[in-house]
Amino acid sequence: DQQVKQNSPSLSVQEGRISILNCDYTNSMFDYFLWYKKYPAEGPTFLISISSIKDKNEDGRFTVFLNKSAKHLSLHIVPSQPGDSAVYFCAARMSRRSKLTFGKGITLSVRP
Amino acid sequence: DGGITQSPKYLFRKEGQNVTLSCEQNLNHDAMYWYRQDPGQGLRLIYYSQIVNDFQKGDIAEGYSVSREKKESFPLTVTSAQKNPTAFYLCASSPHRYGYTFGSGTRLTVV
Repeated sequence: DQQVKQNSPSLSVQEGRISILNCDYTNSMFDYFLWYKKYPAEGPTFLISISSIKDKNEDGRFTVFLNKSAKHLSLHIVPSQPGDSAVYFCAARMSRRSKLTFGKGITLSVRP
Repeated sequence: DGGITQSPKYLFRKEGQNVTLSCEQNLNHDAMYWYRQDPGQGLRLIYYSQIVNDFQKGDIAEGYSVSREKKESFPLTVTSAQKNPTAFYLCASSPHRYGYTFGSGTRLTVV
């Protein structure tokens, strides 16, 4: 049973426009959520995170929104750049010492 | 610079052979993890260790073994019992407070 779901396998956007990457979760015990970015043949790198006590966290071009009632979070990238083309993983955990549960990832392509 | 080192980057194995993937970290992190990435499957947890001399099975542990004799090292052995070992393997570590730091991965191919 997949507890973190990224239902869209891919997304293509024009350079300069907004990219919205969605993630849903089923376990209401998750209290911390993260987004990772991964290029081919490299390890994922941390992008941005949000605690369940917040509904928004912003870092430069990247903003993560959390809707706890809907068990849904989204990553907004504005403006999108060709270098943002990568696989993005959503992850969640239940407590500070628990392991992360990852979604299957979404491949973002930003067209010049 | 602190980080996680995975070696080798590319590894070829003959069917029926065991092979060990190395993972070393100098971040002083307590927890370490092994993931496998396959196309369309995302990141699947193989084994993890939260402290030296202790480790737990993840979601897909069959055909794999690990050891954690030192805090810095968490090697993964892919045994001949693993039916489909060709994949990209990722090692990660965590100080618990934040998310993971990942290594650059090892691409294992069975020939």
